[in-house]
Amino acid sequence: DQQVKQNSPSLSVQEGRISILNCDYTNSMFDYFLWYKKYPAEGPTFLISISSIKDKNEDGRFTVFLNKSAKHLSLHIVPSQPGDSAVYFCAARITGTASKLTFGTGTRLQVTL
Amino acid sequence: EAQVTQNPRYLITVTGKKLTVTCSQNMNHEYMSWYRQDPGLGLRQIYYSMNVEVTDKGDVPEGYKVSRKEKRNFPLILESPSPNQTSLYFCASSLWTGSSYEQYFGPGTRLTVT
Repeated sequence: DQQVKQNSPSLSVQEGRISILNCDYTNSMFDYFLWYKKYPAEGPTFLISISSIKDKNEDGRFTVFLNKSAKHLSLHIVPSQPGDSAVYFCAARITGTASKLTFGTGTRLQVTL
Repeated sequence: EAQVTQNPRYLITVTGKKLTVTCSQNMNHEYMSWYRQDPGLGLRQIYYSMNVEVTDKGDVPEGYKVSRKEKRNFPLILESPSPNQTSLYFCASSLWTGSSYEQYFGPGTRLTVT
């Protein structure tokens, strides 16, 4: 049972445009959500996170939006750059567990020139 | 420099031959985890540890063991590896402060079991 879903395996965006990566979840006990970026042959890198008590968090070009009623979160990258080309994973934490994370299957973003 | 190190980076072994993948972090983090990454399945947590001598199962613990005798080290042990454990493995350490979060991943260990 996939509790965190990234339904788009891949996404292609032109440089300078907005990239929107989506993530859906099913477990109402998730209270913290995270996004990671992964380049080939490297470990994932933490990007940005959001608590379930918020609906938006920004960090430079990256913004995460959380819609709790829809159990949906999205990562916006504006403007997209070629160096953003990577696989992006969303992850969620269950309330009361500090280190137990459930990851989605990832979305491969390709930023084209 | 804050980092998580894993060794070995690549390993080819045969079914049934016990192996250990080491993981070490230099950030004094309390929390550490092991994940495996498989095509189409994303990252799945194998085991995690909240502190020294405190470990718990993740989503796919079968066939694996861990230990946390020191804060900085969290080795992953495969007592009798099987081909279905061929995968890319990542160790991670993390720090929750209540209002913020940091998690650092190691570079990965690619394991092939024949």
